[in-house]
Amino acid sequence: KNQVEQSPQSLIILEGKNCTLQCNYTVSPFSNLRWYKQDTGRGPVSLTIMTFSENTKSNGRYTATLDADTKQSSLHITASQLSDSASYICVVSDYKLSFGAGTTVTVRA
Amino acid sequence: EPEVTQTPSHQVTQMGQEVILRCVPISNHLYFYWYRQILGQKVEFLVSFYNNEISEKSEIFDDQFSVERPDGSNFTLKIRSTKLEDSAMYFCASATNTEAFFGQGTRLTVV
Repeated sequence: KNQVEQSPQSLIILEGKNCTLQCNYTVSPFSNLRWYKQDTGRGPVSLTIMTFSENTKSNGRYTATLDADTKQSSLHITASQLSDSASYICVVSDYKLSFGAGTTVTVRA
Repeated sequence: EPEVTQTPSHQVTQMGQEVILRCVPISNHLYFYWYRQILGQKVEFLVSFYNNEISEKSEIFDDQFSVERPDGSNFTLKIRSTKLEDSAMYFCASATNTEAFFGQGTRLTVV
């Protein structure tokens, strides 16, 4: 069964600090990997999307990496802001989108 | 940015009633999905739709569920006889081969 595993389940960081979220997957064949940000009660919003040939992709203070050989991805948030408090979901695509359970990030002042 | 529109934003229904959740996907997209998220749990795949037919469905998508694209634009999810456990956020997604956009969701509450 294809799976997408994310860690940690949740984390709390102080405003201005950096953090890294992890995503491991077993989806095969692999088409692309996306990171989404989901604010409470709202739909997921795309942050980055990477194909198997891309190793890194940035979107402002968000930087995603992908190692297609080890089937691992990370999302790095630089200089966190209060507005970064949300769930971050890793989604891996063959044809269907397979969701991770998400990492809940809480940024505190 | 392209937008997927879902209506209603919130629906309260009595157990056993039928509900129809509506989605307007992005016009030039070819793949459409329904997902649900029970409060506090992960997003779960329900069904994918391509070329005017279901391409894949999950175990959750039983005979109580159906999808339609009645007029070539709207994409609907129907639950024939709602159960308490159907209470969740339902998200529609519209996709190409390289990108997927989600609607804001419909919060379904079954009482």
